[in-house]
Amino acid sequence: GQNIDQPTEMTATEGAIVQINCTYQTSGFNGLFWYQQHAGEAPTFLSYNVLDGLEEKGRFSSFLSRSKGYSYLLLKELQMKDSASYLCAVENSGYALNFGKGTSLLVTP
Amino acid sequence: DAGITQSPRHKVTETGTPVTLRCHQTENHRYMYWYRQDPGHGLRLIHYSYGVKDTDKGEVSDGYSVSRSKTEDFLLTLESATSSQTSVYFCAISESLAGGGDTQYFGPGTRLTVL
Repeated sequence: GQNIDQPTEMTATEGAIVQINCTYQTSGFNGLFWYQQHAGEAPTFLSYNVLDGLEEKGRFSSFLSRSKGYSYLLLKELQMKDSASYLCAVENSGYALNFGKGTSLLVTP
Repeated sequence: DAGITQSPRHKVTETGTPVTLRCHQTENHRYMYWYRQDPGHGLRLIHYSYGVKDTDKGEVSDGYSVSRSKTEDFLLTLESATSSQTSVYFCAISESLAGGGDTQYFGPGTRLTVL
């Protein structure tokens, strides 16, 4: 089976840095993904980690530790448009993704 | 944009009626997926396809069937809709990443309400 946990809600201030954590226990591991989803829209791909370490992509970075079953998404220089849900997903086998329930991030002025 | 469209985008139907949702892609992707998204549950896989006429069940397949007779179309059918199938349905395709690995890109979604 699989269990993917992330906080339900977070609030942060415009211009600040926020870290969204994800822990997982899965029967296999082919990679960890982060998606962003604005209300009423489809999820959009943000990042992919398959090896341990930090992947940086502009204001967004994602970290993975396979031995600890742990990942985080780091958002820097927060903007109001970053208010959205952030979904952590693990690919364990067969190209299928298993998603956490998502973290709703509210960015305040 | 991975060239994915879904139809209809919104549908209201009554309990017991059959419903078919269509996912169409234009870029010859081999893998296609159907998910449902509900508050408190996140995205859950219903069925997926790894080629024409090749499909497999996901986590929440009961009450759903799928068909893929052409590469570009993946159909999801609710044989007899129930209120518990009220949800937002997303289709996705799998695409290779430039640095290795694959990820999924999602269609715009279909909001289905079963009364």
